[in-house]
Amino acid sequence: AQSVTQPDIHITVSEGASLELRCNYSYGATPYLFWYVQSPGQGLQLLLKYFSGDTLVQGIKGFEAEFKRSQSSFNLRKPSVHWSDAAEYFCAVAGSSNTGKLIFGQGTTLQVKP
Amino acid sequence: DVKVTQSSRYLVKRTGEKVFLECVQDMDHENMFWYRQDPGLGLRLIYFSYDVKMKEKGDIPEGYSVSREKKERFSLILESASTNQTSMYLCASSAPTRAYNEQFFGPGTRLTVL
Repeated sequence: AQSVTQPDIHITVSEGASLELRCNYSYGATPYLFWYVQSPGQGLQLLLKYFSGDTLVQGIKGFEAEFKRSQSSFNLRKPSVHWSDAAEYFCAVAGSSNTGKLIFGQGTTLQVKP
Repeated sequence: DVKVTQSSRYLVKRTGEKVFLECVQDMDHENMFWYRQDPGLGLRLIYFSYDVKMKEKGDIPEGYSVSREKKERFSLILESASTNQTSMYLCASSAPTRAYNEQFFGPGTRLTVL
């Protein structure tokens, strides 16, 4: 069965520092992978997605993610964090039944120190 | 601008009450989803629908039912609310079945059952 693990429940970084959020997935075939962000009191917004091609994917708000098949990972990165990036981040993989269902990780809460 | 709206941002109900959560999307999407979000557990799928009057159980359907009489509207029903159904409820929609199609989310309804 497909699954997604986000090993870090909570991360704190200083404003201006670089950021990497980890995501590991379990899936037998080529995965379709997503990163979503949820700002306080809001729904989820898509940051980026991977389904084929270049393994380095660019997203909105200066985020990027790299798909590494050998490590079953899809880590999210940003070179310089802004205070407005404080939010909860979810990694997700599309289910195998092609129904459009997504399987989400547990989420990582990002806190940004001034 | 694409939009998924949910009928209430905050709702307080009493144990045993019947509760309706409404979701409307304006993107003519076939797929609609109801999730429950709890700290440390990420998003868990309750039910989804891939067409009018069609529905399928997700991972945690117990205690819930759904209704989809029109394409744009997907309702979640708690037949007899219980305190363990206190949670954040998120609705989402997506275009016809493609594993890499993103889901668009509403702002969520925070339900408290007393």
